[in-house]
Amino acid sequence: QKEVEQNSGPLSVPEGAIASLNCTYSDRGSQSFFWYRQYSGKSPELIMSIYSNGDKEDGRFTAQLNKASQYVSLLIRDSQPSDSATYLCAVNLGDMRFGAGTRLTVKP
Amino acid sequence: DAGVIQSPRHEVTEMGQEVTLRCKLISGHNSLFWYRQTMMRGLELLIYFNNNVPIDDSGMPEDRFSAKMPNASFSTLKIQPSEPRDSAVYFCASSPLGQGKVEAFGSGTRLTVV
Repeated sequence: QKEVEQNSGPLSVPEGAIASLNCTYSDRGSQSFFWYRQYSGKSPELIMSIYSNGDKEDGRFTAQLNKASQYVSLLIRDSQPSDSATYLCAVNLGDMRFGAGTRLTVKP
Repeated sequence: DAGVIQSPRHEVTEMGQEVTLRCKLISGHNSLFWYRQTMMRGLELLIYFNNNVPIDDSGMPEDRFSAKMPNASFSTLKIQPSEPRDSAVYFCASSPLGQGKVEAFGSGTRLTVV
């Protein structure tokens, strides 16, 4: 089993919709969880960190963590074409491990 | 701050040649990470340093790969001899010590070995 798993997509949503990105991880002891955004041809950029069960909101982005289910998600409200990118889930397992990423396309 | 600076941006080399990738950390950051990204394998951690000391190099694929951090702000990743399967984008990243996350990535070096 991979340490950090994501649906590779692609995920396509219309402009203004909610995009939901999901991630599961294998290590129950993990305490720190992150979402990175990577535009095509660019480097990953940290957009959200979450450490406690529940929701964390930052503008149009909401990260959700459920440690019992070993599940972390990212919701993007009012999706914009500029949100089109690959979203990488990362988990601190002693060092930082990344999922394969989900490619999101927001269609105008 | 200029961010994490990597050089070169692109490198094309012939199989068997030595390749050296360079990275300058953000001032004040004490943790340094080298990642490799390919379509097939995604973003893989190769090695990371805390305060210039290598902490985990289990991701380094083979003895052909070596990484050094001669001072607090600079690191190199060397591949000798290079092989076509080493072709990938290599990212350097840094963080303040103890943050438990990768805070900033460099722009990456796209390596092509022919």
